[in-house]
Amino acid sequence: DSGVTQTPKHLITATGQRVTLRCSPRSGDLSVYWYQQSLDQGLQFLIQYYNGEERAKGNILERFSAQQFPDLHSELNLSSLELGDSALYFCASGRDGANSPLHFGNGTRLTVT
Amino acid sequence: AQSVTQLGSHVSVSEGALVLLRCNYSSSVPPYLFWYVQYPNQGLQLLLKYTSAATLVKGINGFEAEFKKSETSFHLTKPSAHMSDAAEYFCAVSDRGTGGFKTIFGAGTRLFVKA
Repeated sequence: DSGVTQTPKHLITATGQRVTLRCSPRSGDLSVYWYQQSLDQGLQFLIQYYNGEERAKGNILERFSAQQFPDLHSELNLSSLELGDSALYFCASGRDGANSPLHFGNGTRLTVT
Repeated sequence: AQSVTQLGSHVSVSEGALVLLRCNYSSSVPPYLFWYVQYPNQGLQLLLKYTSAATLVKGINGFEAEFKKSETSFHLTKPSAHMSDAAEYFCAVSDRGTGGFKTIFGAGTRLFVKA
């Protein structure tokens, strides 16, 4: 058990809709990362938050947004969903530092129909 | 920017055979390198990490990796494969970007173990 909790585990929705994915980091970790994993794109870094502030941005679409709340949980909001957004979305948490490993949740599988 | 390249998207070995998964990195010194494993329907788990203390790093489940600066490599090995090792393996490098650290993952190598 990594200590990172993601909800929901599965999500099925239609194109054009909006969904929210939730992540609770491991106790004591201030950083939260979001990754998207798909068969054709592999594991893509989306965005990182540290103690409530955005720290780094990766390949995140403008239709996607995220935030980290004072209790350190994070939400990833995906809007105007397209078929191509179907993927596994992982949250990871970690301490700040280059040699600090990431601890991953089990992911949310999003299916857009 | 730092990056990692994993050679071979799929590797197949027989049970009991040597496992060798290749990873090359491009990085400024010092690199912080990691290997993660992903079992079906699970998130990634840390196998081992290199933090410059020793060039040969031992991880969980009998895996180890050797850091070779001259070859910019960090290959993952295991002397004898088990069926339970079948999974996807990711090499990663930690990069300090604007505002903080970011972990960059390779494309992954799926390991198949034949009985």
